[in-house]
Amino acid sequence: IAGITQAPTSQILAAGRRMTLRCTQDMRHNAMYWYRQDLGLGLRLIHYSNTAGTTGKGEVPDGYSVSRANTDDFPLTLASAVPSQTSVYFCASSPSGGSTGELFFGEGSRLTVL
Amino acid sequence: GQNIDQPTEMTATEGAIVQINCTYQTSGFNGLFWYQQHAGEAPTFLSYNVLDGLEEKGRFSSFLSRSKGYSYLLLKELQMKDSASYLCAHMDSNYQLIWGAGTKLIIKP
Repeated sequence: IAGITQAPTSQILAAGRRMTLRCTQDMRHNAMYWYRQDLGLGLRLIHYSNTAGTTGKGEVPDGYSVSRANTDDFPLTLASAVPSQTSVYFCASSPSGGSTGELFFGEGSRLTVL
Repeated sequence: GQNIDQPTEMTATEGAIVQINCTYQTSGFNGLFWYQQHAGEAPTFLSYNVLDGLEEKGRFSSFLSRSKGYSYLLLKELQMKDSASYLCAHMDSNYQLIWGAGTKLIIKP
């Protein structure tokens, strides 16, 4: 059982380039989330989706977009990367839209924007 | 506004007990969560408190006081593998998690 898979695990990217971080889960969870984690700060929610076909903005959505065409996939796109988007990105899922609070995380994608 | 605070770093001895505190301020509350995160890995769920009191789960216990906006995670019989960051998070009125910056726990032999 894979759980939740992210790709790539690590990437160095030139500023201005477009980048998509992939996230796939096989647990049939309804809700999915994208967080960024920076040293000294808590996890910050970028975008979320409570169910396939719907998305919502989190605390720090600017410069990012998401789509949720089906239950399993929740890609995060940086349209034009900037150095401040250097971070570790975690995708997560939960059975329902946050009501239990238990999130299942992917292993993270470390992104460096130069 | 919403705020959540926990110590940045703590050190404890193998075999001992350590308490990691977390305080929060929120206009709406739907539970308090603790996650464990080993260096370079993903966070994993430890506990969930929505009512006041102590929840015990093996060597780990979590306490909540809603009136004081306070929680703690208690780790007993510390093992070297408990060296990790411990993340406190509360669920707000929109059922979104608000995360603290995490407490790095260093276990010494």
